[in-house]
Amino acid sequence: KNQVEQSPQSLIILEGKNCTLQCNYTVSPFSNLRWYKQDTGRGPVSLTIMTFSENTKSNGRYTATLDADTKQSSLHITASQLSDSASYICVVSADTGRRALTFGSGTRLQVQP
Amino acid sequence: NAGVTQTPKFRILKIGQSMTLQCTQDMNHNYMYWYRQDPGMGLKLIYYSVGAGITDKGEVPNGYNVSRSTTEDFPLRLELAAPSQTSVYFCASISHRETNEKLFFGSGTQLSVL
Repeated sequence: KNQVEQSPQSLIILEGKNCTLQCNYTVSPFSNLRWYKQDTGRGPVSLTIMTFSENTKSNGRYTATLDADTKQSSLHITASQLSDSASYICVVSADTGRRALTFGSGTRLQVQP
Repeated sequence: NAGVTQTPKFRILKIGQSMTLQCTQDMNHNYMYWYRQDPGMGLKLIYYSVGAGITDKGEVPNGYNVSRSTTEDFPLRLELAAPSQTSVYFCASISHRETNEKLFFGSGTQLSVL
């Protein structure tokens, strides 16, 4: 069964600090891995998308890494801001005709002043 | 460009009532999805469609029905609402042209069944 596990479940950091969120997956056959940011009461918004051949991808202060051998990914947030407070969801896509997506349950990040 | 639009944003139903959650997208995407998100949980796929006239079940289809008469619209129907269907529902769409294209989500419908 395809699964995506994220850690930690929740995290509190001070504004300006860095943090790293983890994602482990068992999805086969692997197509790509996505990180989404979901603000409270809103739909998820795409941050990064990485295919099998990509090890790292950045989007501003967000940097995602992918190790396809160990089936792990991380999302690093640099110089956190209050607006980074949200849930961060790891989504892995299987290489099937219907764009099968498996969602992690997310990491709830709270950035405090 | 409106993207993915869902209506209503909030709804309270009594047990046994019916309703339709509307979803429309203006990006000419072939693939559309309905997900539900329970508190503290990941999104679970209810139904999906790979194009007009084609729909298929996801992980948790029981109690729901869908139709896809046009590329733009993908409504989700609850026939006999049950408390277990209290959740936040998200509609999403994606293009079929590339494998690493973005998945666009609507803003969600918060449904309570009492």
